[in-house]
Amino acid sequence: DIQMTQSPSSLSASVGERVIITCRASQSISSYLNWYQQKPGKAPNLLIYDVSTLRSGVPSRFSGSGSGTDFTLTISTLQPEDNGTYYCQQSYSTFVTFGQGTRVEIK
Amino acid sequence: QVQLQESGPGLVKPSETLSLTCTVSGGSIGSYYWTWIRQPPGKGLEWIGYVYYNGNTKYNPSLKSRLTISVDTSNNLFFLRLTSVTAADTAVYYCARTDTLSPFDIWGQGTLVTVSS
Repeated sequence: DIQMTQSPSSLSASVGERVIITCRASQSISSYLNWYQQKPGKAPNLLIYDVSTLRSGVPSRFSGSGSGTDFTLTISTLQPEDNGTYYCQQSYSTFVTFGQGTRVEIK
Repeated sequence: QVQLQESGPGLVKPSETLSLTCTVSGGSIGSYYWTWIRQPPGKGLEWIGYVYYNGNTKYNPSLKSRLTISVDTSNNLFFLRLTSVTAADTAVYYCARTDTLSPFDIWGQGTLVTVSS
C-alpha cells in the first residue's frame, strides 16, 4: 500500500497568516492527490482534487501544488473558519490511503 | 443533488457482526464506486472498501477476511458487513462516492458504531 505522510501533525496560526501543509507519498502517485477539510463531528469535505483543482465553492485562498511524491496545501490568508483537520488522500491506487491529518488551530 | 445516509445499530457486541446500510438519494447508484470509510475516535481516516454498481468489490487487505460490501441497485442501497468485531472496530463509519482515480466527492454524515458488551 502507498503510505501518505503529512506534516506538521498540528499547527497554530493567526488570522491572516499563510499556512502550508505538506504531504509525501511513499511512491509516485502522479497527480492523483486530494485534500479534505474536516470539522469536529462532521464528515470530511473535499477541498482540492488532482493536486490543484479547487472544488466549486471552495475559497480561492486555498491552493494545492506538487507532483509525483511531494505535495502541499496552502492557505494564503488564514481565516477563523479554516480551523479543523486537513487530510491528504491518494486516489492513484485502488487501495486508497489517507495522510494522518494536520490539525489547524486559530490563535 | 445526490445525498448519502448511513443507518444501522450504534452498539454491537464483541465477536458479533456489524451491519450498516447506506441509502443513496437524489440520483442513481449507477456507474460509481460506493465506498465505506471509518474513523476511530480521535484518529484518522481508514478506507474499508468499495462496491461498484455492478457488484464488483475491492477491500482493504487488513479487513478482507471479515468484510463483505454489497449493493442493491433496485433500491439505491449499499451495505457493509463486518464479522467478528472487536473494540478496535469502534469508529464513525462513513459511506462515500467516488469514481476511477477520483476523490470522494460526496459523503454521508457518518454513524458511530461502538463495540462493547
